[in-house]
Amino acid sequence: RKEVEQDPGPFNVPEGATVAFNCTYSNSASQSFFWYRQDCRKEPKLLMSVYSSGNEDGRFTAQLNRASQYISLLIRDSKLSDSATYLCVVILNYQLIWGAGTKLIIKP
Amino acid sequence: DAGVTQSPTHLIKTRGQQVTLRCSPISGHKSVSWYQQVLGQGPQFIFQYYEKEERGRGNFPDRFSARQFPNYSSELNVNALLLGDSALYLCASSIDSYEQYFGPGTRLTVT
Repeated sequence: RKEVEQDPGPFNVPEGATVAFNCTYSNSASQSFFWYRQDCRKEPKLLMSVYSSGNEDGRFTAQLNRASQYISLLIRDSKLSDSATYLCVVILNYQLIWGAGTKLIIKP
Repeated sequence: DAGVTQSPTHLIKTRGQQVTLRCSPISGHKSVSWYQQVLGQGPQFIFQYYEKEERGRGNFPDRFSARQFPNYSSELNVNALLLGDSALYLCASSIDSYEQYFGPGTRLTVT
């Protein structure tokens, strides 16, 4: 079993739709959680940290469920510029462990 | 403020050669991490340095080595290159190893 697993994708959704990404992690000792965004042939960029209480940044909402070892990212009112690969990241003993990413394609 | 910088941006080497990749972190960041990313996969952790000490090492062979200098810049060395070492090599800096900020990467092609 992979340490961090994400939906395989790609997700093809129309502009304005709500998109949900899911991620599970295997090690309950994992300490911190993040979502990164990566555009084609570019470096990953930190999108947001994920907290148990949930956090929101504009159209983006992230949630952590430690009991289920599950992380989610919700994008509301999706824009064409949201098209990218979204990567779930878990930190364990200072190491970032990455999911394979889910590609999102927003269609006009 | 300048972000993380990496050099070179692209590199072509032949099998058996050695390569050195360089990274300068964001000013004030004391931690540097190195990752290897192949197409279609998430980055794979290679090394992390904090205050010039190795804090973590991923599952990579001893052909991979790294170091961090007093100014917190870092080098990643790969010896005896294999075709499978072709990848995007990413450097990330952080204050405390948690929220990491990436450089543009070095795209290494081994022929």
